Amino acid sequence: AAGVIQSPRHLIKEKRETATLKCYPIPRHDTVYWYQQGPGQDPQFLISFYEKMQSDKGSIPDRFSAQQFSDYHSELNMSSLELGDSALYFCASSSTLARAEQYFGPGTRLTVT
Amino acid sequence: QQQVKQSPQSLIVQKGGISIINCAYENTAFDYFPWYQQFPGKGPALLIAIRPDVSEKKEGRFTISFNKSAKQFSLHIMDSQPGDSATYFCAATNAGGTSYGKLTFGQGTILTVHP
Repeated sequence: AAGVIQSPRHLIKEKRETATLKCYPIPRHDTVYWYQQGPGQDPQFLISFYEKMQSDKGSIPDRFSAQQFSDYHSELNMSSLELGDSALYFCASSSTLARAEQYFGPGTRLTVT
Repeated sequence: QQQVKQSPQSLIVQKGGISIINCAYENTAFDYFPWYQQFPGKGPALLIAIRPDVSEKKEGRFTISFNKSAKQFSLHIMDSQPGDSATYFCAATNAGGTSYGKLTFGQGTILTVHP
């Protein structure tokens, strides 16, 4: 079965640079969620989109922005990167009929040096 | 403030034993409680989930027990295997509300199953 696809899988950036993370949800899933997971931490909700509209917002810094496109893929844009932004970033997707059943992608490991 | 509290932080079990992980929640609006399994460097994988209208759900070796009045739920792994060694997260969400299903996770439990 098709799963959530994230790219890139690994990303190394320097402080104050920008980064763009991409997420391709499971086919026919219309809701996308972004989570950030620090080392040894639980995933923290950042933002979600339903039918290309922002549906909820969590602890996402103002330096970050995201959007969902017409093909339902989503991009998380991160600017003015800080050392503390180093983490695993997961995208999850779900369908309208089973919104709570979220399936996670493999994640993007972002390292800020 | 951690809305979902998970214990223990780590757990060591012998092969064939029962692993038990507990979670407690505060928000009574939560109406869906999944458990995720995560291997190092991988994404969380949905294991099993329960809604508050049932007290127990079993899928293979995995069972969720749910106590609505105590606002607690637990994961039981029967006949634990070395391959079950991973980090387990409980989570909760209000699937039908305006949160559009965002998950609130517990702190995680590192399970080690010795052969």
